[in-house]
Amino acid sequence: QLQLVESGGGVVQPGRSLRLSCAASGFTFNSYGMHWVRQAPGKGLEWVAVIWYDGSNKDYSDSVKGRFTISRDDSKNTLYLQMNSLRAEDTAVYFCARPQYSNNEDYYFDYWGQGTLVTVSS
Amino acid sequence: ETVLTQSPATLSLSPGERATLSCRASQSVSSYLAWYQLKPGQAPRLLIYAVSNRATGIPARFSGSGSGTDFTLTISSLEPEDFAVYYCQQRSTFGGGTKVEIK
Repeated sequence: QLQLVESGGGVVQPGRSLRLSCAASGFTFNSYGMHWVRQAPGKGLEWVAVIWYDGSNKDYSDSVKGRFTISRDDSKNTLYLQMNSLRAEDTAVYFCARPQYSNNEDYYFDYWGQGTLVTVSS
Repeated sequence: ETVLTQSPATLSLSPGERATLSCRASQSVSSYLAWYQLKPGQAPRLLIYAVSNRATGIPARFSGSGSGTDFTLTISSLEPEDFAVYYCQQRSTFGGGTKVEIK
């Protein structure tokens, strides 16, 4: 069945880097754009980044732009999030999510991973 | 960018009661609004997409309605497993969430 499994979370000091992975199975990965969404402790869901199905376009939230990079390896059916210059406010559970598009701009997330926890602390 | 405001922040109800959750958009989102359920340690679960369409496997007690800027998620009769936090979403924007807790 369809699965998204995140990994790579952990405790990291402010200013350091971390790379998250999301292994996908059960669907044709290279046919889908993919997103990262996070939830800080006690807070709501926050969209982080998107990469188009062919990797040709990427977009980021203002809070991570210039520090995070989303990428994909279709040969491994894996989505990545490279997080640099980490800050305390990046502490969150990070989810990967598969979108379903209603049109070119509107979408919802039909499948999510269980998330991986990133803690930025000295 | 559209802002989604959910109310109330917390809803205290008993099993068997009806839950009515609101999501208000700062501008019209037409019919492109989704609802999710989130429990600690679990993956978010899609409940409703395009305002009123139940996702695969979602029980009929969950329903969505609304148009333009005002939307509602209704749980007709709360089951024990329904106590959770619920979010609305449109494109890259999520509402702040409504926690449905046991009274």
